[in-house]
Amino acid sequence: EAGVTQFPSHSVIEKGQTVTLRCDPISGHDNLYWYRRVMGKEIKFLLHFVKESKQDESGMPNNRFLAERTGGTYSTLKVQPAELEDSGVYFCASSQVYEGIYGYTFGSGTRLTVV
Amino acid sequence: GQNIDQPTEMTATEGAIVQINCTYQTSGFNGLFWYQQHAGEAPTFLSYNVLDGLEEKGRFSSFLSRSKGYSYLLLKELQMKDSASYLCSARSGGSYIPTFGRGTSLIVHP
Repeated sequence: EAGVTQFPSHSVIEKGQTVTLRCDPISGHDNLYWYRRVMGKEIKFLLHFVKESKQDESGMPNNRFLAERTGGTYSTLKVQPAELEDSGVYFCASSQVYEGIYGYTFGSGTRLTVV
Repeated sequence: GQNIDQPTEMTATEGAIVQINCTYQTSGFNGLFWYQQHAGEAPTFLSYNVLDGLEEKGRFSSFLSRSKGYSYLLLKELQMKDSASYLCSARSGGSYIPTFGRGTSLIVHP
C-alpha cells in the first residue's frame, strides 16, 4: 500500500510569491489533514477534510492560505502571497477511521522556506 | 485550549531502557497518541491510550494516567535506530483533532 505522498519535498520561494503544496492520501482514506511545524515549535493543526468537504479549518492562520480537495482525492494547499513567517514543514496526514484511533498516517512533509 | 509538555532532549545508552514523559492539560480528554519521527521523515504512529494503564507493543510500551494528566513512553533494549524525535499528542473531549507537543529528541549512543 502506498503511503501518504507530498510534493514537493522542499520549496524555496521569495516573499510575495505563490506556492502550492500537494498531498496524495492513502487510497480510500476519506479523512485528510494538514499540519504545519514552524522551527522549534510543535506541529499545529491547519485543517481537516472529509472527502471533498472542509470539516474543520479552524487552524488556518489567515486568508493567504487556501486548501482544496477536489473530488475527494488529493489535496492542495496554496499560500498566496507567501510571507517569511510561513516558513516551516507542512505535513499532510490521512486516516480511514473518522476519529483516527489508529493514528494518522503522515507524509514526509514539504519543507517551505520563504526568503 | 490544550497544553502538552515533554522534555526537549534525552540521551540513553544502547541496550538500556528509557522513559519519555508527557503531561497534558485538556478540557476533557479523548485519547493520547505517541509518534516517532526520524529526521526528515514522516511521523509514524506508535501507540494510542484512552484508558488508564499500560499498553505494550514489543519493545515499546505506553502508559496513561488520566487523573494525573500524564503519560509515558517506555523503550526497552534500546537500539541505535531508536534515535529519533518522539511526539506526544492529546485529544480533548470536544474535538477529534489531537494537539501535539514539541517532541522529545532521543539520542541513543553506543
